[in-house]
Amino acid sequence: DARVTQTPRDKVTEMGQEVTMRCQPILGHNTVFWYRQTMMQGLELLAYFRNRAPLDDSGMPKDRFSAEMPDATLATLKIQPSEPRDSAVYFCASGKGVRTEAFFGQGTRLTVV
Amino acid sequence: GDSVTQMEGPVTLSEEAFLTINCTYTATGYPSLFWYVQYPGEGLQLLLKATKADDKGSNKGFEATYRKETTSFHLEKGSVQVSDSAVYFCALSGSSGNTPLVFGKGTRLSVIA
Repeated sequence: DARVTQTPRDKVTEMGQEVTMRCQPILGHNTVFWYRQTMMQGLELLAYFRNRAPLDDSGMPKDRFSAEMPDATLATLKIQPSEPRDSAVYFCASGKGVRTEAFFGQGTRLTVV
Repeated sequence: GDSVTQMEGPVTLSEEAFLTINCTYTATGYPSLFWYVQYPGEGLQLLLKATKADDKGSNKGFEATYRKETTSFHLEKGSVQVSDSAVYFCALSGSSGNTPLVFGKGTRLSVIA
């Protein structure tokens, strides 16, 4: 059963530390999305890629967040330096196109203390 | 721009009750429509979809019909179970080539025995 894999599932870190979240999209999917979910803001789109090229990252705080796809099997979301307000669940999703259904991973729960 | 409006939750129902979660949309063109479900501690999962007017999507006893005349895609289930307790998200595909899914804010459903 094909699925999106995210690591780590849980991360607790101290303010100011660098955090890297990883995502393995479903084989054959050419589009990858990064979302953030909080109780207050709900589900927010941070960035998305097609064929490893960034299409839009306007949802990300530019000064501290960065997203990359080093290869077709790995997407990363990095926060440096992390802040308590970054505490959230971060989801990666992949799909066969930007406008088609997206398949979500189980998320990385980030807590910044 | 494109948008999705869902009924506010939480919705609390007794087991075997009838469920309706309202969803209306605003979009240019002819979007595809989706319902996703998020169980506690998990990512969003595609529940059902419809790609053109009058299509009915169905899965696991849930149904939704794409109504272009009322711009709606209401989710229904005839008899809910405790295991259906989750957050439900309505979504539509973007109207242009590089616009990803637009999600509603989600509706939390609690089913009590």
